[in-house]
Amino acid sequence: EAQVTQNPRYLITVTGKKLTVTCSQNMNHEYMSWYRQDPGLGLRQIYYSMNVEVTDKGDVPEGYKVSRKEKRNFPLILESPSPNQTSLYFCASSPSGDRGTEAFFGQGTRLTVV
Amino acid sequence: AQSVTQLDSQVPVFEEAPVELRCNYSSSVSVYLFWYVQYPNQGLQLLLKYLSGSTLVESINGFEAEFNKSQTSFHLRKPSVHISDTAEYFCAVNGGFKTIFGAGTRLFVKA
Repeated sequence: EAQVTQNPRYLITVTGKKLTVTCSQNMNHEYMSWYRQDPGLGLRQIYYSMNVEVTDKGDVPEGYKVSRKEKRNFPLILESPSPNQTSLYFCASSPSGDRGTEAFFGQGTRLTVV
Repeated sequence: AQSVTQLDSQVPVFEEAPVELRCNYSSSVSVYLFWYVQYPNQGLQLLLKYLSGSTLVESINGFEAEFNKSQTSFHLRKPSVHISDTAEYFCAVNGGFKTIFGAGTRLFVKA
């Protein structure tokens, strides 16, 4: 089954403790991205990647890191999480970065930083 | 720069009634437009999209949206909703390398 898989689905952590949220897609998509979803703000892009070893900042990159060493994986790293990073996070992939292509989303990761 | 405005944060409606979820966008370039749906505890999934051609686009579950260039709108409509349509709906625009999402409209269908 074609899918985008995120892990974990739920995570509670403490301020300052480094964490990684994994994202993997099995559709051979070139384009991958991370979003955070907050009430009243919709989805805001954190980082995106056009292909392996090519990443760039989205609208809200502060406090996050990403890497794209393999085509299928695009982990999101929070080096020193803070409470304002409490949010619902989605990973998405698309066949390419062309503007008409559909995005396929993972199930989401609900992160709470206390 | 691009932006998307969804004019209603919540829309309650009775089952079998018609519904319209409003979306306006702004962009300095031509755009592609999308509606995504998010069911409870799930990720977003594509409902329909406008790329070019006919300004009226339809989904397989009875929703339709009309691209209106002069009014810069892409409103989503359904003539008769079901309980199962209860979800959050996001309008999105792409005029370049990234997709901008609206804040979402929560559709609540009551029996």
